[in-house]
Parts: sequence; C-alpha cells; structure tokens
Amino acid sequence: KNEVEQSPQNLTAQEGEFITINCSYSVGISALHWLQQHPGGGIVSLFMLSSGKKKHGRLIATINIQEKHSSLHITASHPRDSAVYICAVRSYETGGADGLTFGKGTHLIIQP
Amino acid sequence: KAGVTQTPRYLIKTRGQQVTLSCSPISGHRSVSWYQQTPGQGLQFLFEYFSETQRNKGNFPGRFSGRQFSNSRSEMNVSTLELGDSALYLCASSLVVGPNEKLFFGSGTQLSVL
Repeated sequence: KNEVEQSPQNLTAQEGEFITINCSYSVGISALHWLQQHPGGGIVSLFMLSSGKKKHGRLIATINIQEKHSSLHITASHPRDSAVYICAVRSYETGGADGLTFGKGTHLIIQP
Repeated sequence: KAGVTQTPRYLIKTRGQQVTLSCSPISGHRSVSWYQQTPGQGLQFLFEYFSETQRNKGNFPGRFSGRQFSNSRSEMNVSTLELGDSALYLCASSLVVGPNEKLFFGSGTQLSVL
C-alpha cells in the first residue's frame, strides 16, 4: 500500500522566513504533485515532478527518487502564502491503477 | 479559457437517496478525475477517465460510480447515500504534454447527507 507522509502537519512562521515542507512516500512513483489549497476549497497545482528540481517564482520543489522524498520550499514567505500544501503521488508499481495518493497536507500560516 | 466547472456547488440530501454530480473539464482536456475530501481522511482518489474509458478506480464501494461522455464532461453518482458520504467532491481535468501532467481542479461540490 502506498503511504504518503508530510511534515510538518502545521507550520506558523513570520513573513520573510524560508519555508520547507517535506513529503515522503513508500513505493516507486511515476510523478509527484504539489498542490495548494486555500480556505474555501480551491486547489491549485503548483508543480509536477518526476526528477530533479523545479522553480516558479518564490517556490522551489525538489525530488530525490532514490530516497523517495520531495521538498517544497518557499523563499521570502508572505501572508498570501498561507494555505494548505498537499503532496500527491502517482505510483507506477501497480501500473498507475491507484490514481493519485495524497498526503494529509501541511497547514501553513505566515504572520505579518 | 473557462476553468473546470462543477455543478451543483452545494447539495443537501438525506440518507438512502442518490445523487449525481457533474464536471465539465477545460476545453481540450480529455482526462477527468474525481476526488473525495473529508476533514478526517483528507483527499482520496475516486476515479479517473480518459476518452470515455475508466482508467483507474479508487478504493470506494460500488455505490460510487461515474462516467465520461464523448464531449469529455463527466458525472459521478452515489447511490444509497450514507452519512459518511458527506464531503467535498472535487474533479480535475488534466493536460499531459510529454512527460508533464498539470491538474486543474474545479471548486467542488459540497455534499451534506442528513
């Protein structure tokens, strides 16, 4: 069974701080997604990774396939970054038959 | 370009009833997937459709079913509703370009079962 663990579950930081959210998974994957969910439910896809590193604005996502681990970093954090960040993986060990498996999310609050 | 549209936005049903939720993907997207989100379980995968064929199915009972039409619009149906089916139901359409897949989520249907 594919398990996806995120840490921390909750994170409160001051504006301007460097933020790191971690995601570990237990099986081989074909892709890992980082999602952002604001209060009210809307989910936005931030990144899809299968290897290496991606950057978009102040967001950076990395993945280490051998260690089955990914990190999402936010530089110069801002109160508008406050949201739930969710990691999701697509396994290839079952031919992708499981669809996406999600972590429980990291609830991030950035205080001004 | 219009986003992913889910209807209705809110729905209240009673136990034992059935419900049909609708999802219209972004124009040109042929893949649609459905998810259930609850405070206790978080996000869980329900189904995935591509070109009218179900590609994947999550670990949900047979009361949960879905389909996709030739115009890529999708519906999901839950029969014999239970209190535990109260949740936010989200659909996403996806665009695959080479090795990259980007998901676009709708705003969801908030289902309350009384």
